[in-house]
Amino acid sequence: QLHLEESGPGLVKPSETLSLTCTVSGGFITSSSYYWGWIRQPPGKGLEWIGSAYYTGRTYYNPSLKSRVTISLDTPKNQIFLTLTSVIAADTAVYYCARRPYWYFDFWGRGIQVTVSS
Amino acid sequence: QSALTQPASVSGSPEQSITISCTGTGSDVGGYNYVSWFQQHPGKAPKLMIYDVDNRPSGVSDRFSGSKSGNTASLTISGLQAEDEADYYCSSYSSDNALDVVFGGGTKLTVL
Repeated sequence: QLHLEESGPGLVKPSETLSLTCTVSGGFITSSSYYWGWIRQPPGKGLEWIGSAYYTGRTYYNPSLKSRVTISLDTPKNQIFLTLTSVIAADTAVYYCARRPYWYFDFWGRGIQVTVSS
Repeated sequence: QSALTQPASVSGSPEQSITISCTGTGSDVGGYNYVSWFQQHPGKAPKLMIYDVDNRPSGVSDRFSGSKSGNTASLTISGLQAEDEADYYCSSYSSDNALDVVFGGGTKLTVL
C-alpha cells in the first residue's frame, strides 16, 4: 500500500527558507506513470497547488510561487523535497505531498503544519 | 481568489441528493476532461472521490457521481449520509500560464 509522509520543521522564521521532505513507501518515485506534487492549505482556506515533479527532474511550478519554490527528488531514497525561500506569514499552511497519475492527485500524505513566525 | 468557482456552502437532509458546481473557463474545466473532486474532513487530508470528470476510484461509493457541461463541472451525492458532511474541492488541469493544476475554493456540505 502506498504511503506518503511529510516531515520538516513546524516553525520557520520570516525571511528564512522552508524545507520539507516527503518520504514515499510502498511504491517508487521513479515510476514513469506518476508525477509527484506539493499542495498547501492555509488555515481555514482552500487548497493551493505549489508544484509538481517527474522522476526525470522535470518540474512545474505555480506562477505565483515560482520565484521562491524548488521541488527536487532523491530517487535512491524515494524522497521528494520542497524548498520555499523568503517565507512570510502568508506561507503558514498545512503542506501536503501527493502522487499524480495524470491530472489528478490520487494518494496524499497526511500533511504537515508549518507556521511562519518570529 | 481561486481559479475555479464553487458555492461556499450547500446543505441537504439525509437520503436527499445534492449537487455541487465548479465553474471554470475554456482553459481548464471547459477545455479538458480532467476534472477531479476531493472530500476533506476536518483535520484530514483530501480524499480523491472523482477523477477525469466522472470516474470513481476503487472503494468510493457509487452515491458519488461527476459530470460536466461546458465550463461547469458538477459533483452529485445521492442518498446523503451524515458522514458525507465535509468540505469538497474540485480541481482541473489548466493550460493557462503554465498553471498545471487549479483548485476551486471549496464547498462546505452540511447534512441537516
